[in-house]
Amino acid sequence: GESVGLHLPTLSVQEGDNSIINCAYSNSASDYFIWYKQESGKGPQFIIDIRSNMDKRQGQRVTVLLNKTVKHLSLQIAATQPGDSAVYFCAENPMNSGNTPLVFGKGTRLSVIA
Amino acid sequence: DGGITQSPKYLFRKEGQNVTLSCEQNLNHDAMYWYRQDPGQGLRLIYYSQIVNDFQKGDIAEGYSVSREKKESFPLTVTSAQKNPTAFYLCASTDRGYDGYTFGSGTRLTVV
Repeated sequence: GESVGLHLPTLSVQEGDNSIINCAYSNSASDYFIWYKQESGKGPQFIIDIRSNMDKRQGQRVTVLLNKTVKHLSLQIAATQPGDSAVYFCAENPMNSGNTPLVFGKGTRLSVIA
Repeated sequence: DGGITQSPKYLFRKEGQNVTLSCEQNLNHDAMYWYRQDPGQGLRLIYYSQIVNDFQKGDIAEGYSVSREKKESFPLTVTSAQKNPTAFYLCASTDRGYDGYTFGSGTRLTVV
């Protein structure tokens, strides 16, 4: 498959453990944040999003936490599985506008050890 | 099924040649985007279009051109002016930014 990031930060976790992927964003005016998962050779897939009026949102096995004070976003994956191995990107909407292009972080590679 | 289709999956370009990457969506989305992805870097915005017959430059537009003649189509041309075109190109669309983007599966462009 294609490599989407040869020099990305890497997080290695044991299968069944919880994973926490962090992201620092740059614009204090950003009001919408998204986490994407990208498997090798594929396009990014939406995982979960959160608006700035929330500090936590839960999905199926995933939780996103938002700390606006320090401009920090995290993605928690419960009971990590081999299929979770991928590159994870955070994205922010910096201008409080529906169609303004999202700004993407550089990504973190998650490797799950079976 | 609704979705966004990029073609071809792999594309090879000779020096000095223009090539066009296709992006088609049947989601009835207004906005479409082109991103470039290089190893070790995030997604960098090339061009985007919020409505038919209108588009704006992104952060790395030099050496690229686009058109938006139809709502469902947003082709990207990599011109000979782009000196380092080898990369993975991603197309995305959205109805409203607050719903996030739907991405295509990408085109891997290689200069030979």
